[in-house]
Amino acid sequence: EAGVAQSPRYKIIEKRQSVAFWCNPISGHATLYWYQQILGQGPKLLIQFQNNGVVDDSQLPKDRFSAERLKGVDSTLKIQPAKLEDSAVYLCASSLGHPIYGYTFGSGTRLTVV
Amino acid sequence: DQQVKQNSPSLSVQEGRISILNCDYTNSMFDYFLWYKKYPAEGPTFLISISSIKDKNEDGRFTVFLNKSAKHLSLHIVPSQPGDSAVYFCAASVNNDMRFGAGTRLTVKP
Repeated sequence: EAGVAQSPRYKIIEKRQSVAFWCNPISGHATLYWYQQILGQGPKLLIQFQNNGVVDDSQLPKDRFSAERLKGVDSTLKIQPAKLEDSAVYLCASSLGHPIYGYTFGSGTRLTVV
Repeated sequence: DQQVKQNSPSLSVQEGRISILNCDYTNSMFDYFLWYKKYPAEGPTFLISISSIKDKNEDGRFTVFLNKSAKHLSLHIVPSQPGDSAVYFCAASVNNDMRFGAGTRLTVKP
């Protein structure tokens, strides 16, 4: 079974620029999550999709962050414009839906904003 | 809001001994608790979980204990192996909203 694919692995941008991250979840996983992990902290949920609908985006800074999940499969997360404090690892995860089975995470995209 | 806390940023144990990683939570509504393991440059990997209606779950060398009255969760690794060296995240879930602790870096010395 292929894992959760994310790209790019690394990205360096200047503040006020825009950036986009891509995620392909495990086939058949209806639920997809984007997490932000700042150095020294645990992952923090940004947005949760169930198929192509948003379940929870209460912690997504909507003035600069946006996400979509086309056709209930791949997803993109965009930041525009980026701020220095957006420097973090952005993790995508997918799951069958029941928390007892945990989530499968991708390797993440490390974003550095300079 | 830090609903899930891991107060020890690091732990070092000798190979073959027991590793005990601890986690505290504040939200009594959490109904599932999980541990994830993370190696450098990789995403967290699901390790073991427990429902709030249980107090213990075992999987090979890994055992998770839940003390609901104390709102405390622990992961025991016996015996510890050098390959267990990683960052361990505690997580808790309610209504499919999963919150993570800040992680504990475990080092198992040969």
